[in-house]
Amino acid sequence: AQSVAQPEDQVNVAEGNPLTVKCTYSVSGNPYLFWYVQYPNRGLQFLLKYITGDNLVKGSYGFEAEFNKSQTSFHLKKPSALVSDSALYFCAVRDIKKGTGGGNKLTFGTGTQLKVEL
Amino acid sequence: NAGVTQTPKFQVLKTGQSMTLQCAQDMNHNSMYWYRQDPGMGLRLIYYSASEGTTDKGEVPNGYNVSRLNKREFSLRLESAAPSQTSVYFCASSPSYEETQYFGPGTRLLVL
Repeated sequence: AQSVAQPEDQVNVAEGNPLTVKCTYSVSGNPYLFWYVQYPNRGLQFLLKYITGDNLVKGSYGFEAEFNKSQTSFHLKKPSALVSDSALYFCAVRDIKKGTGGGNKLTFGTGTQLKVEL
Repeated sequence: NAGVTQTPKFQVLKTGQSMTLQCAQDMNHNSMYWYRQDPGMGLRLIYYSASEGTTDKGEVPNGYNVSRLNKREFSLRLESAAPSQTSVYFCASSPSYEETQYFGPGTRLLVL
């Protein structure tokens, strides 16, 4: 069974500093990996995804994520945090092992609350 | 282009009452999904429809039913609401079942 772990419930960072939100995953085949962001009382917004190719993926709002197969990680990063980045961030994984069928079953992590302070 | 829309935005039910949550997308997507979000548990898949005319159970289907009315619309029905179904419900859609999912704004449901 596939799973996602976000080990930090909350990450605090000062505006202008780099930020990292951690994600590790477990799948039996090869992963599709996603990051979503949720602002208060809103739905999830897609940030970026890794399917194949370059291990460094660039996404919306200056975010990027690095796929590390040996460490089964997909950490979200941004070189310089903004107060407006404060939100709940979700990592998600889909196992692309052939033959599993069953639609696009994304498995989500429990979320990491990012707080960026002045 | 409204994306994924959900109605209602907020609903209060008494235990045993029924209701239907509506979802529609205008992106011509083939696949649609219903999730629930609970504190500390992330999002869990209730039901999905990989394509028009098909529906399948997700991780937590008990107490729910779905209807893929047409390509645009995918409804979620609670036949007899229970307090354990208090949650925020999200609908999502994707071009096909292997592609990125796009989410609606959510429906906040409180069952007393």
